[in-house]
Amino acid sequence: DQQVKQNSPSLSVQEGRISILNCDYTNSMFDYFLWYKKYPAEGPTFLISISSIKDKNEDGRFTVFLNKSAKHLSLHIVPSQPGDSAVYFCAASEQTGANNLFFGTGTRLTVIP
Amino acid sequence: NAGVTQTPKFRILKIGQSMTLQCTQDMNHNYMYWYRQDPGMGLKLIYYSVGAGITDKGEVPNGYNVSRSTTEDFPLRLELAAPSQTSVYFCASKGLAGNSYNEQFFGPGTRLTVL
Repeated sequence: DQQVKQNSPSLSVQEGRISILNCDYTNSMFDYFLWYKKYPAEGPTFLISISSIKDKNEDGRFTVFLNKSAKHLSLHIVPSQPGDSAVYFCAASEQTGANNLFFGTGTRLTVIP
Repeated sequence: NAGVTQTPKFRILKIGQSMTLQCTQDMNHNYMYWYRQDPGMGLKLIYYSVGAGITDKGEVPNGYNVSRSTTEDFPLRLELAAPSQTSVYFCASKGLAGNSYNEQFFGPGTRLTVL
């Protein structure tokens, strides 16, 4: 049972435009959400996170939006750069215990120069 | 800081063989995790540890064993390799209070093929 879902396997965007990656979750106990970026043959690297007490968190070109009522979050990248081309994973956890992460299946972003 | 290191990078096993995937972190993190990633899928948690001597099962523990005798090391053992265990394995660690709450740091992965 996939508790975190990324329904778009791939996304292509022109350089300089906005990239919007979406993520849905089903477990209402999740209260912390993260985005990881992954290049081929490397491990995932942390990008940005958001706590359930907020609805927006911004870090440079990256902004994550959380809509708790819809159980939906999105990652906005503005402006998109060719170096952003990677697979992006959404992850969620409860703020208890070991804070185990549940991952989505990933979205492959391609930024076209 | 090397961060999280994993060995080997690649391995091919025959059905029924056993092996240990090594994971070491030099950040003095309490929490360590093992994930597997199958093609086109997200990462799924196999086992995790909250400190030396303490381990627990994740979502997909069957066919694996772990131990945590030191803070730094968290090896993953496959006793009787099966084709269903063909995957990429990632080790991760997390401190009690990181720069971002819940942020896990990942190793580069071990690609395992069972034939």
